[in-house]
Amino acid sequence: DVKVTQSSRYLVKRTGEKVFLECVQDMDHENMFWYRQDPGLGLRLIYFSYDVKMKEKGDIPEGYSVSREKKERFSLILESASTNQTSMYLCASLKSGANVLTFGAGSRLTVL
Amino acid sequence: DQQVKQNSPSLSVQEGRISILNCDYTNSMFDYFLWYKKYPAEGPTFLISISSIKDKNEDGRFTVFLNKSAKHLSLHIVPSQPGDSAVYFCAASARQGAQKLVFGQGTRLTINP
Repeated sequence: DVKVTQSSRYLVKRTGEKVFLECVQDMDHENMFWYRQDPGLGLRLIYFSYDVKMKEKGDIPEGYSVSREKKERFSLILESASTNQTSMYLCASLKSGANVLTFGAGSRLTVL
Repeated sequence: DQQVKQNSPSLSVQEGRISILNCDYTNSMFDYFLWYKKYPAEGPTFLISISSIKDKNEDGRFTVFLNKSAKHLSLHIVPSQPGDSAVYFCAASARQGAQKLVFGQGTRLTINP
């Protein structure tokens, strides 16, 4: 009954590496989101997308980019990973007009 | 600039008692509020919400209270159960159905047997 799937649960990367985090939803939702969760800071929005090929910056987009080529898939890209990007990354989706985000289980990224 | 604040990082409550989690916000444009619950190694799940036209919303053991003049909301869990141990996030949006939610820092609730 999994609806938002983040394929990588745990990743360890080196500084400077390019990192792809993938997210797939099977609910035909128009909107998809990437958040990061850090202790004491809660969930902060990185990017979101309200349609295929459309994207908008969230509150902390620096150092990240996104791709949405298909409605069900939303990718987060770290062009050159840095240690301050070590975090838990959460993908979510939302049907337009609805109120409740559905989250994936998260991807814990460690950058050494 | 934290627009949604949960000032208690953690809370410990005895099983059967009431748990009260608090949340303050600064943006007067917020008019829809949600609580999410997160277990370790899982994504947050929706718990309960409230619109600014109400001051209370109840769902079983969970009640959310909204005080617009004080820009404060609280989540009451009665009675608290061990399975309620989790991190609770308060979130706000400028309108119902808005795409952007602003989350608080979270409060870790521990229910002691």
